[in-house]
Amino acid sequence: GQNIDQPTEMTATEGAIVQINCTYQTSGFNGLFWYQQHAGEAPTFLSYNVLDGLEEKGRFSSFLSRSKGYSYLLLKELQMKDSASYLCAFMDSNYQLIWGAGTKLIIKP
Amino acid sequence: GAVVSQHPSWVICKSGTSVKIECRSLDFQATTMFWYRQFPKQSLMLMATSNEGSKATYEQGVEKDKFLINHASLTLSTLTVTSAHPEDSSFYICSARVDRETEAFFGQGTRLTVV
Repeated sequence: GQNIDQPTEMTATEGAIVQINCTYQTSGFNGLFWYQQHAGEAPTFLSYNVLDGLEEKGRFSSFLSRSKGYSYLLLKELQMKDSASYLCAFMDSNYQLIWGAGTKLIIKP
Repeated sequence: GAVVSQHPSWVICKSGTSVKIECRSLDFQATTMFWYRQFPKQSLMLMATSNEGSKATYEQGVEKDKFLINHASLTLSTLTVTSAHPEDSSFYICSARVDRETEAFFGQGTRLTVV
């Protein structure tokens, strides 16, 4: 079967670093996505990993290990505007996106 | 990134009426468009996948006669909620992608309230 799991909620301090983990199980895999969603808004694309390793994009980095079925999103120098839900999703063998439930990130001053 | 425009952003309708939501890819041709529903504090729930020129594929539990999807061109897909009821009140979001190996871009979402 297929499943994807990420923590429901995390809290971090402004200026700090936070890592949001995502684990998945699937027989067919065509990449993993991270999206950011502010309350009441649609998701916006953050990153896409299809090969193992770390992809860095400014303050945000995303890591993938296909053998472990594991990914994380790393956010550095946290800002209050980073308070949002972060959704991970993998693309299965049929190129359909399977979504996690999202991690609500709360940033405190 | 690519732009997907969804209209309207919010709509209030009376129970029993129908509502049409449009999703347009403004600067790219979308071979596939997806329609999602999201209830408060919950994740995205895929309703259907539509490919240009063919019938939409609905997820289990989604009534195709109630949620009519048309993908008439590579830049436009519409979702019509027919005979809306208060339980249909939700946040409806479309997304579009160029091909199956690229990321999907989301519209702004439509907040539907049925009274």
